[in-house]
Amino acid sequence: AQRVTQPEKLLSVFKGAPVELKCNYSYSGSPELFWYVQYSRQRLQLLLRHISRESIKGFTADLNKGETSFHLKKPFAQEEDSAMYYCALRTSGTYKYIFGTGTRLKVLA
Amino acid sequence: GAVVSQHPSWVICKSGTSVKIECRSLDFQATTMFWYRQFPKQSLMLMATSNEGSKATYEQGVEKDKFLINHASLTLSTLTVTSAHPEDSSFYICSARVPGGPNTGELFFGEGSRLTVL
Repeated sequence: AQRVTQPEKLLSVFKGAPVELKCNYSYSGSPELFWYVQYSRQRLQLLLRHISRESIKGFTADLNKGETSFHLKKPFAQEEDSAMYYCALRTSGTYKYIFGTGTRLKVLA
Repeated sequence: GAVVSQHPSWVICKSGTSVKIECRSLDFQATTMFWYRQFPKQSLMLMATSNEGSKATYEQGVEKDKFLINHASLTLSTLTVTSAHPEDSSFYICSARVPGGPNTGELFFGEGSRLTVL
């Protein structure tokens, strides 16, 4: 079955500390992974996708097929990074998007 | 980026009535739209995939007669919650994918619609 797991509901870090939001997936096909972010009172928006291999707002994520993971990392957290982060898997063929339960990141001053 | 708009953003209705929520792609044509339901402090649960010109594909456990989806044009999909009950109260979010182009694969989300059934 297709599944996306984000083990942490809440992650609190101090400003300037490194951040890692965990995401593991289960999918028998070729996965396409995304990270979406939802800032307070705003709609969900794309943060980054594994295909692009880019860094957005200092965040990076590497797809590890061996560990079936797509963890989101940032070396130095900023207060404006506080938001809800969702890891998502897009299935091939039907283009369904499966979301994890989300991790709320709180960056403390 | 592409813009997806939902209306209404919030609605309160009496139990037993039906409520329609609209999802529009404002600057692109969306052959496929997705409807999600989000409970408080929980993830987005995919309800159905709305396909323009054909029947929606519902996820397991979602009642298609309860949640009617119509995707009559390339820019509009509607979700009608029929005979709403308090347990249908939730946050409903639609999203659309831009077919082809540099944003292929990216989902664009509406603002969401909060339904409260009294």
